[in-house]
Amino acid sequence: AQSVTQLDSQVPVFEEAPVELRCNYSSSVSVYLFWYVQYPNQGLQLLLKYLSGSTLVESINGFEAEFNKSQTSFHLRKPSVHISDTAEYFCAVSSTGGGNKLTFGTGTQLKVEL
Amino acid sequence: DGGITQSPKYLFRKEGQNVTLSCEQNLNHDAMYWYRQDPGQGLRLIYYSQIVNDFQKGDIAEGYSVSREKKESFPLTVTSAQKNPTAFYLCASSIFGQGRTGELFFGEGSRLTVL
Repeated sequence: AQSVTQLDSQVPVFEEAPVELRCNYSSSVSVYLFWYVQYPNQGLQLLLKYLSGSTLVESINGFEAEFNKSQTSFHLRKPSVHISDTAEYFCAVSSTGGGNKLTFGTGTQLKVEL
Repeated sequence: DGGITQSPKYLFRKEGQNVTLSCEQNLNHDAMYWYRQDPGQGLRLIYYSQIVNDFQKGDIAEGYSVSREKKESFPLTVTSAQKNPTAFYLCASSIFGQGRTGELFFGEGSRLTVL
């Protein structure tokens, strides 16, 4: 069985400040890791993913996440946020062997303020 | 453009009525899923299907039913047995088989309000 913990349900931050959204997972096997973003009344969109290779992955809009196997974490960071980054962010994990059912965290609401 | 289409976007129904939410995909994905989203509770899996004419219960299947007669379509019926049906419903699809990673592709969602 696998699980995902997003400790922060809400993260307020001022525009142009850096932000980190935390994600920890638990799994007995190797994993794939994902971050999804959801804007109000919309579906989830894939932001970035770790499948293999470099442990640092980046999105096209300036977010990055680093897979840390020893700490079982996949924290999402952005050095300077914009008002348009206000959304809910979900971390998710799936196992590399069989099944591949995606398990989601409960989400972190990022609110960027002027 | 390939994607997932959910309809309707907003739906209002009286208590005790069954409602059916539509989900169609043209991504040629084998697997399809229905999730329910409530504030502060993340996503909860209702049903999923990995192949036509077969589907499995997720974590909160009670009060819901599905069918998978075509690869492209996976409608969800919210029955009168569902005690608290007001929620945001998300349909998703994924590759099943070689190359799968679990990555899901989502529709835009359907918001059901029961009056």
